[in-house]
Amino acid sequence: QKEVEQNSGPLSVPEGAIASLNCTYSDRGSQSFFWYRQYSGKSPELIMFIYSNGDKEDGRFTAQLNKASQYVSLLIRDSQPSDSATYLCAVNPFSGGYNKLIFGAGTRLAVHP
Amino acid sequence: SQTIHQWPATLVQPVGSPLSLECTVEGTSNPNLYWYRQAAGRGLQLLFYSVGIGQISSEVPQNLSASRPQDRQFILSSKKLLLSDSGFYLCASARGSGEQYFGPGTRLTVT
Repeated sequence: QKEVEQNSGPLSVPEGAIASLNCTYSDRGSQSFFWYRQYSGKSPELIMFIYSNGDKEDGRFTAQLNKASQYVSLLIRDSQPSDSATYLCAVNPFSGGYNKLIFGAGTRLAVHP
Repeated sequence: SQTIHQWPATLVQPVGSPLSLECTVEGTSNPNLYWYRQAAGRGLQLLFYSVGIGQISSEVPQNLSASRPQDRQFILSSKKLLLSDSGFYLCASARGSGEQYFGPGTRLTVT
């Protein structure tokens, strides 16, 4: 059973701080990794993807991947109240084929003024 | 960029009634298409995926079915709804490097 694990939260951070969201996955052969943001009552929105070990930065967002530790994280710098949402980690397992993604249950982030 | 449409946006149906949810995609061709369900406060459960017209793979045994009559049209159906079918139904489209993009979703309540 391929799994993607996330802390459900809520993760509460003050405005302007760095929010760190973490995700672990069980399939060592996984090739690609995605972070989605989901506001309450809305559909998930893709915000980052990463394929190689290391960091990938896009504006205030940085995705970090460590395949040896089977760990992927998302850092949000200068957190804003508008970042308050549930963040879903998704993994494309090596044997998944057809770009099937396995989703974690999500971490709820609350940014307070 | 692609746009994914889903309708209806919300639906309230009695137990035992039929269901038809539609998803259409603009701005791409030959996408992989997916149906997910998200129960309240839960993660995404993959229900069906399709790599082409008429090609459907089922991930979870259930009373739901899917069809892909056209390249950019994906339909989710049921002959008789159960209470447990309530949830947020999401259609997603993917090409190339595998990123999936979601439509706005249909919120289904079975009463």
